[in-house]
Amino acid sequence: KAGVTQTPRYLIKTRGQQVTLSCSPISGHRSVSWYQQTPGQGLQFLFEYFSETQRNKGNFPGRFSGRQFSNSRSEMNVSTLELGDSALYLCASSSTGVDGYTFGSGTRLTVV
Amino acid sequence: QKEVEQDPGPLSVPEGAIVSLNCTYSNSAFQYFMWYRQYSRKGPELLMYTYSSGNKEDGRFTAQVDKSSKYISLFIRDSQPSDSATYLCAMKNSSNTGKLIFGQGTTLQVKP
Repeated sequence: KAGVTQTPRYLIKTRGQQVTLSCSPISGHRSVSWYQQTPGQGLQFLFEYFSETQRNKGNFPGRFSGRQFSNSRSEMNVSTLELGDSALYLCASSSTGVDGYTFGSGTRLTVV
Repeated sequence: QKEVEQDPGPLSVPEGAIVSLNCTYSNSAFQYFMWYRQYSRKGPELLMYTYSSGNKEDGRFTAQVDKSSKYISLFIRDSQPSDSATYLCAMKNSSNTGKLIFGQGTTLQVKP
């Protein structure tokens, strides 16, 4: 059974650019959540999508957005990148959102 | 004050020792409690998942939840060098189904 797949694994972007990260959940999982992980703040919740609808949102500025497609694949977008957006971005999927979440290996974003 | 507090360590133990990892929390609405293990440059891996209070055992791992004290623990018996990783506690309430609140993580080193 394939796990959660995140692409790309590494990204280097310049301040002011925008970036799109992709997440393919485990087959049959309809809930996809995104997290930002930094050494200072740890793992922080960005948003959750369930059946193409945003179900929860964390305390991040509007520059962070996401969407989910009918096949449950999800993308997150960060516009007008700032140096502080450098982090490991993790995607996690669950069959319903109530049970445990399985994480991908993440996309490491570096903003220069 | 963070909703979930976890001692970052590092914690260093000899091989074969019993390891105790702990988290405290302030939100009494939390109902679901998880422990994740994260190796360097990998995503978190779900180890234990418990609902409400009580104990749960899985092989060398035992998770305990004491809701009256707002305190959760993970015990690792017969620790191995391969257990060296960062251990993250996570929790959520029953309504915010996709939003996990994480502790900062405890770095564990098991020395041969």
